[in-house]
Amino acid sequence: GQQLNQSPQSMFIQEGEDVSMNCTSSSIFNTWLWYKQDPGEGPVLLIALYKAGELTSNGRLTAQFGITRKDSFLNISASIPSDVGIYFCAGQKGGSNYKLTFGKGTLLTVNP
Amino acid sequence: GAVVSQHPSRVICKSGTSVKIECRSLDFQATTMFWYRQFPKQSLMLMATSNEGSKATYEQGVEKDKFLINHASLTLSTLTVTSAHPEDSSFYICSAQDRGVPTNEKLFFGSGTQLSVL
Repeated sequence: GQQLNQSPQSMFIQEGEDVSMNCTSSSIFNTWLWYKQDPGEGPVLLIALYKAGELTSNGRLTAQFGITRKDSFLNISASIPSDVGIYFCAGQKGGSNYKLTFGKGTLLTVNP
Repeated sequence: GAVVSQHPSRVICKSGTSVKIECRSLDFQATTMFWYRQFPKQSLMLMATSNEGSKATYEQGVEKDKFLINHASLTLSTLTVTSAHPEDSSFYICSAQDRGVPTNEKLFFGSGTQLSVL
């Protein structure tokens, strides 16, 4: 099935640093979502974006829905050790269809 | 907050046996549940969409006779991996959509089931 192109694949940063990751798609999505997954757990929703150009924050997290509706980025500011995990973007076509297409994930490691 | 319970969290079985995984929405009713498969360091791949009281809709390439899905009630969906083989070893995750609040904020994931087939 279709997958989103998510980059980078992994990141190693120092505590306190900011980090950015992004997703691109060859097709349009009406909703972009960012999830975090801890080892051996299911994903947890961080931010949902519903409008092209929308910029939304959730604490230290900021995400934007690209104008073309084919891309999105997630920024994490002032990283802390508990930010460690795998971050996934997901796209949704919309309407009554809640099927999600996931990116390949970004593994974030934060060194204290 | 809403919780989706997935059981078992880990299962090891012999090749040729069948394994059933349960996905329960604990404090909401879910007309739609989704089943995903995730290989190590890979993304979540949708296997099927499970609708209460009707047949599941499978994604292309997913064998419906191999992965049996039952959604008999508004709070329970089951995935049965029949005649499991080592290549079926994977992390299986379900998600459930709160029928009362059809938004992404009310789409919750279970904690996953790690299946290992010997």
